[in-house]
Amino acid sequence: DAGITQSPRYKITETGRQVTLMCHQTWSHSYMFWYRQDLGHGLRLIYYSAAADITDKGEVPDGYVVSRSKTENFPLTLESATRSQTSVYFCASSSRLAGVDSEQFFGPGTRLTVL
Amino acid sequence: GDSVTQMEGPVTLSEEAFLTINCTYTATGYPSLFWYVQYPGEGLQLLLKATKADDKGSNKGFEATYRKETTSFHLEKGSVQVSDSAVYFCALSVASGSARQLTFGSGTQLTVLP
Repeated sequence: DAGITQSPRYKITETGRQVTLMCHQTWSHSYMFWYRQDLGHGLRLIYYSAAADITDKGEVPDGYVVSRSKTENFPLTLESATRSQTSVYFCASSSRLAGVDSEQFFGPGTRLTVL
Repeated sequence: GDSVTQMEGPVTLSEEAFLTINCTYTATGYPSLFWYVQYPGEGLQLLLKATKADDKGSNKGFEATYRKETTSFHLEKGSVQVSDSAVYFCALSVASGSARQLTFGSGTQLTVLP
């Protein structure tokens, strides 16, 4: 499918388990982002990546790990899930060529529940 | 640090009513400003943007003007439709590290009744 996709769309896990959320984009965009969406907080940036093998922390990185071995994929791993990580997670991408204020394109989101 | 404050919702309007969603910001330097919209069950989509003071962004009947003197970027639409029901996010873009990042407001839920 063209565009940006996330999997799974819904996930229920238990405290302490490792969980990986997948993000895939077909546009060859340089920049990719992970956000979490919580009521009252809007979206908060977890990690971002400017290119393959280049990642950097956002506002709320604790408890998360990212990697980017290929331009099109940007997985987010919760190494030991906690209840406070229950949230909706959005992946986004944007093009370097479109300029520094290029539009970010968002995936459909993954709703994660940690019991 | 940089931040965005939006009027709290939810906002409920009748079809064809006038819409205003207030947004103010705090930022160092000169940010770019955005409105994103999230329809039920979907990711966010860019609605409009403005990159410098006095710019007006517009799309689908929505407008917002970048007001540097009042640090505001209020969203307006003259006549809303049921299909405009969604969550609206104001955001600003600042340079940080190797990319410009978006800082979002908390979102405003809009419901338009027929």
